[in-house]
Amino acid sequence: TQLLEQSPQFLSIQEGENLTVYCNSSSVFSSLQWYRQEPGEGPVLLVTVVTGGEVKKLKRLTFQFGDARKDSSLHITAAQPGDTGLYLCAGAPPNSGNTPLVFGKGTRLSVIA
Amino acid sequence: DAGITQSPRHKVTETGTPVTLRCHQTENHRYMYWYRQDPGHGLRLIHYSYGVKDTDKGEVSDGYSVSRSKTEDFLLTLESATSSQTSVYFCAISELQRDGKYFGPGTRLTVT
Repeated sequence: TQLLEQSPQFLSIQEGENLTVYCNSSSVFSSLQWYRQEPGEGPVLLVTVVTGGEVKKLKRLTFQFGDARKDSSLHITAAQPGDTGLYLCAGAPPNSGNTPLVFGKGTRLSVIA
Repeated sequence: DAGITQSPRHKVTETGTPVTLRCHQTENHRYMYWYRQDPGHGLRLIHYSYGVKDTDKGEVSDGYSVSRSKTEDFLLTLESATSSQTSVYFCAISELQRDGKYFGPGTRLTVT
């Protein structure tokens, strides 16, 4: 069974600080997605990374897929209170065909003004 | 935003009663999913569908059944609700299994 471990579980920082959260596995994934979930709402897809070593930027958010496609990171620059939420990663197993995505348990981020 | 709705949004029911949750999409996506989300467990897949009348089990399917008679609708039924099924239930859609998912707003179910 493929697992995705997210760290840290909880993170509380001051507005303006930088942070990195991680999504790690011992298994290879063909692609990996990041979602943000705000209280009372469903997760919202932020990005999909497909190629080992790929870096994608979304405003102040930088996503990186590990060279071996076993891990990923999300870096937020100058965090704002609006970044508060649960960040989830999800991986597509190789040759996934009809195999569902694997979700991590998430990192809960709180940005204090 | 993807057109995906869930009903009801909130429900309180008693142990032993049947409950049906509905997911409706306007995107014509092939795949539809039901997840539950609980503290400490994250999102867990209950059942999913890859076409009309085509469904498969997820990791926590016991006590749940699903039906998909039309592309746009995916129903989740708890035949006899138990307190352990108190949770927030999310429906999601995607065109391909490995694609990013579009999630509905969720249904908060409380079983007393």
